[in-house]
Amino acid sequence: AQSVTQPDIHITVSEGASLELRCNYSYGATPYLFWYVQSPGQGLQLLLKYFSGDTLVQGIKGFEAEFKRSQSSFNLRKPSVHWSDAAEYFCAVAPFSGGYNKLIFGAGTRLAVHP
Amino acid sequence: DAMVIQNPRYQVTQFGKPVTLSCSQTLNHNVMYWYQQKSSQAPKLLFHYYDKDFNNEADTPDNFQSRRPNTSFCFLDIRSPGLGDAAMYLCATGLAGEGTGELFFGEGSRLTVL
Repeated sequence: AQSVTQPDIHITVSEGASLELRCNYSYGATPYLFWYVQSPGQGLQLLLKYFSGDTLVQGIKGFEAEFKRSQSSFNLRKPSVHWSDAAEYFCAVAPFSGGYNKLIFGAGTRLAVHP
Repeated sequence: DAMVIQNPRYQVTQFGKPVTLSCSQTLNHNVMYWYQQKSSQAPKLLFHYYDKDFNNEADTPDNFQSRRPNTSFCFLDIRSPGLGDAAMYLCATGLAGEGTGELFFGEGSRLTVL
């Protein structure tokens, strides 16, 4: 069965520091991969996605992610974190089936940013 | 310009009193999804519609039903809410077909059960 693992439940970084959020997936083929961000009490906003091609993808708000097939990973990075980045981050996979996709989410990583 | 709109944003109900949450979209997407997200947990898919075809997840309780009267609207009905049904309910839309996969989410409806 497909699954997504986000090993870090909580991460705290200082403003201006770099950030890496880890994501590993389990799937027989290369799935579609996503990172979503959720601010408290809000819905999910897409940060970036990987379907194929260049394994380093750029997203909104200065985020990027790198797909590594050999490690089944899709880690999210940002070189310099801003206080407004404090939120919950979800990695998701979408196995293609039946002509459409159903997102499977990881448990999320809650990011706190210290001034 | 919101493309997936959920109403109400906040709903308070009493134990056992039926609730309906609505979702509308302006994207003309043929797939609509309902996710349940409990506090500090990942969103969990309840069911989805592919056009008019309803697809229930195996572990979705019978207490949860859905209707999709047209392309733009989808409803989530909770027939007899229990305390354990308190959660954020997220509606999402998407396009069928390979090369897609991205879902567009509404801001969610937070349900409180007293």
